[in-house]
Amino acid sequence: GDSVTQMEGPVTLSEEAFLTINCTYTATGYPSLFWYVQYPGEGLQLLLKATKADDKGSNKGFEATYRKETTSFHLEKGSVQVSDSAVYFCALSDRGTNAGKSTFGDGTTLTVKP
Amino acid sequence: DTAVSQTPKYLVTQMGNDKSIKCEQNLGHDTMYWYKQDSKKFLKIMFSYNNKELIINETVPNRFSPKSPDKAHLNLHINSLELGDSAVYFCASSRLQGEGETQYFGPGTRLLVL
Repeated sequence: GDSVTQMEGPVTLSEEAFLTINCTYTATGYPSLFWYVQYPGEGLQLLLKATKADDKGSNKGFEATYRKETTSFHLEKGSVQVSDSAVYFCALSDRGTNAGKSTFGDGTTLTVKP
Repeated sequence: DTAVSQTPKYLVTQMGNDKSIKCEQNLGHDTMYWYKQDSKKFLKIMFSYNNKELIINETVPNRFSPKSPDKAHLNLHINSLELGDSAVYFCASSRLQGEGETQYFGPGTRLLVL
């Protein structure tokens, strides 16, 4: 079955540090890939997504590139802010019989200190 | 206007009770979901409905029964609540049932079973 493996957290960084959160996946088909962010006390919201190989999703200074050869979708940001403190989820949505069902990683908690 | 709303936001109840959580989306989406998030932030899909029809039913105790009166609403009824049901329950919706579709999450219902 489909699965998503994320870098284990928690991750603690100083403001303006470089962020990488690793995400790799296994899928039977050719999935779309997502990063969702969950701020404290809120629901998840889409951060960025990519639907085909070599696509780069970007939003709010975050980027991730769909790498089919390494089955990865690592999240990066050049300079994090305190306001980026949240839980980040990598997810995939596969074509096929369960189209519409998303598989989520375990989440990575990021804390950014001033 | 809130895109996906849930009521109540907090629910504290005794073991053995029956409770319901309501979800409404005003996005005109066809597909709605229920997720359970545990204390470690792990997110697990429970159910998915497309146009009021159940399409995903994960391994969930039959004490949990979803009901979709129309496309805009997906409610969750839980019978005979147990301590292990304590979690945050998220409703979500997407435009269509299909890979590549972004899911829009509600703010969550924090259920505590005593």
